[in-house]
Amino acid sequence: AQKITQTQPGMFVQEKEAVTLDCTYDTSDPSYGLFWYKQPSSGEMIFLIYQGSYDQQNATEGRYSLNFQKARKSANLVISASQLGDSAMYFCAMRDTMNSGYSTLTFGKGTMLLVSP
Amino acid sequence: ETGVTQTPRHLVMGMTNKKSLKCEQHLGHNAMYWYKQSAKKPLELMFVYSLEERVENNSVPSRFSPECPNSSHLFLHLHTLQPEDSALYLCASSQGTNNEKLFFGSGTQLSVL
Repeated sequence: AQKITQTQPGMFVQEKEAVTLDCTYDTSDPSYGLFWYKQPSSGEMIFLIYQGSYDQQNATEGRYSLNFQKARKSANLVISASQLGDSAMYFCAMRDTMNSGYSTLTFGKGTMLLVSP
Repeated sequence: ETGVTQTPRHLVMGMTNKKSLKCEQHLGHNAMYWYKQSAKKPLELMFVYSLEERVENNSVPSRFSPECPNSSHLFLHLHTLQPEDSALYLCASSQGTNNEKLFFGSGTQLSVL
């Protein structure tokens, strides 16, 4: 069984500062993928960044980077230069293989990020 | 036009009603998903369709009945729901069922009275 843990229910950051959102995972599969999604109040889940278990370098997408520490089984999201529009729920997710053999995503409980002026 | 469109955005229904949620994807994907998002709980996978064939039913009660008439459309038919079924229902699509990146709609916020 796979598990995603996000220990921060809420985080506050001031505009233009950097923030780290924590995610740890548990899996026995040697090959896996880790994702971060953003969910603003509108409800839509927006893909931010992906890290494969065999990727040698940490993933980056603009202001988003993933601090991947394989031995510690952590995949923290770093948002640099926070903006007011970054206020949202953030979900960490992992690829999960179902009984059917197909794969989908298993999500953590999420972290609510609030960016203040 | 967004890639994945869900209607209605909000739905209030009684326990004896029958309603349907609709999802349409404009991305040319061949896999579609229903997820349930309850307050303070992780997203829960409900159903997966690949090429209009249901490939996963994640122990969902029979009062939820999915339908996938083609690779672009997905429905969730609801009947005799319970108040605990109140949640945000999210539809997603992907290129294949082994392509991990999911594209989500904005969801239908369902309230069962």
